[in-house]
Amino acid sequence: ETGVTQSPTHLIKTRGQQVTLRCSSQSGHNTVSWYQQALGQGPQFIFQYYREEENGRGNFPPRFSGLQFPNYSSELNVNALELDDSALYLCASSLSGAGLYGYTFGSGTRLTVV
Amino acid sequence: AQTVTQSQPEMSVQEAETVTLSCTYDTSESDYYLFWYKQPPSRQMILVIRQEAYKQQNATENRFSVNFQKAAKSFSLKISDSQLGDAAMYFCAYRSLEYGNKLVFGAGTILRVKS
Repeated sequence: ETGVTQSPTHLIKTRGQQVTLRCSSQSGHNTVSWYQQALGQGPQFIFQYYREEENGRGNFPPRFSGLQFPNYSSELNVNALELDDSALYLCASSLSGAGLYGYTFGSGTRLTVV
Repeated sequence: AQTVTQSQPEMSVQEAETVTLSCTYDTSESDYYLFWYKQPPSRQMILVIRQEAYKQQNATENRFSVNFQKAAKSFSLKISDSQLGDAAMYFCAYRSLEYGNKLVFGAGTILRVKS
């Protein structure tokens, strides 16, 4: 059973650029959530995808967008990068309806915007 | 909106001793889930323990146990026989049953284990 894999592990971008982060969900999981973790803080929910549709969103602007593919892998896209977007981006997969169980996190992508 | 508060930015414990990490939360819901996650320097969030709000019995996983006080909206984590490998950032998290699958995290507590 594979876990959640995120790529790349580290990334440096310039303000105003666009970035795409990728996540492969754990085998058998059909839901993917993305979180932003600023340095020294707890993760903040960005959005969640289930069956290729966004079905929940946190307090993030539209320049944060995502996709989920038929194999349940996912992408997080951020346009017009700002310095405050520098953070660790975590992907978590789960099985819809699993309730108490089934959140598996990846090791994250560290994004630095300069 | 639900909020989670961890009032201890940093805690230290001697190896083999016991330490308790505090967490309080605010919600108007009657049923929900609570979690403790561990985040070592590898950055991956690792589930430590989980609790269903409708269960009065406190969850236990080996050396880890919780003190769940629903009326007080408190969910503390006790680590017994602390080991060097327990050193990490610990996050308390809340999951609503009504508002989807998102987790609401606290700000975290850094746990240092002294040998």
